[in-house]
Amino acid sequence: DSGVTQTPKHLITATGQRVTLRCSPRSGDLSVYWYQQSLDQGLQFLIQYYNGEERAKGNILERFSAQQFPDLHSELNLSSLELGDSALYFCASSLTSGDQPQHFGDGTRLSIL
Amino acid sequence: SQQGEEDPQALSIQEGENATMNCSYKTSINNLQWYRQNSGRGLVHLILIRSNEREKHSGRLRVTLDTSKKSSSLLITASRAADTASYFCATDYDNDMRFGAGTRLTVKP
Repeated sequence: DSGVTQTPKHLITATGQRVTLRCSPRSGDLSVYWYQQSLDQGLQFLIQYYNGEERAKGNILERFSAQQFPDLHSELNLSSLELGDSALYFCASSLTSGDQPQHFGDGTRLSIL
Repeated sequence: SQQGEEDPQALSIQEGENATMNCSYKTSINNLQWYRQNSGRGLVHLILIRSNEREKHSGRLRVTLDTSKKSSSLLITASRAADTASYFCATDYDNDMRFGAGTRLTVKP
């Protein structure tokens, strides 16, 4: 058990809809990272927050947004969903930012019908 | 976009044998990390090696880093069936983590 909790585990929705994925980091970790894993694109880094502030941005689409709240949990919002957004979305956390191992949750599997 | 490229894409060995996986990358790094992923689960951190380090050990794992060749290798000694998983290298530069496509390791009992 990594200590990182992601909800929901599975999400099925339709094109054009909006969903919110939630992540609770490991106790004491200040950084939260979001990743997308799909068969064709592999594991892609989306965005990182550190202590409530955006720290680094990867391949995150404009239709996607995230935030980290004062209690350090994070949410990833995906809007105007397309079939190609179907993927596993992982959250990871680390103690600080950079040069730290990341601890991954078990992911949210998003299926767009 | 991915940074690292693992080689081979798939590896099948017998229990007790050693498994070697390689990772090549393109740009500067602060550190390189190796992760394991069991099917459908989150990634598990195995080892982190910083850019000024050349070799690290953790149990049955040995990682090397050659920054002049922009490459790293992961050696798993005396493999077990439980080592069956996908293994990913990830490069970190200024908080930008890039994962490779992974090596699928199958250890036959």
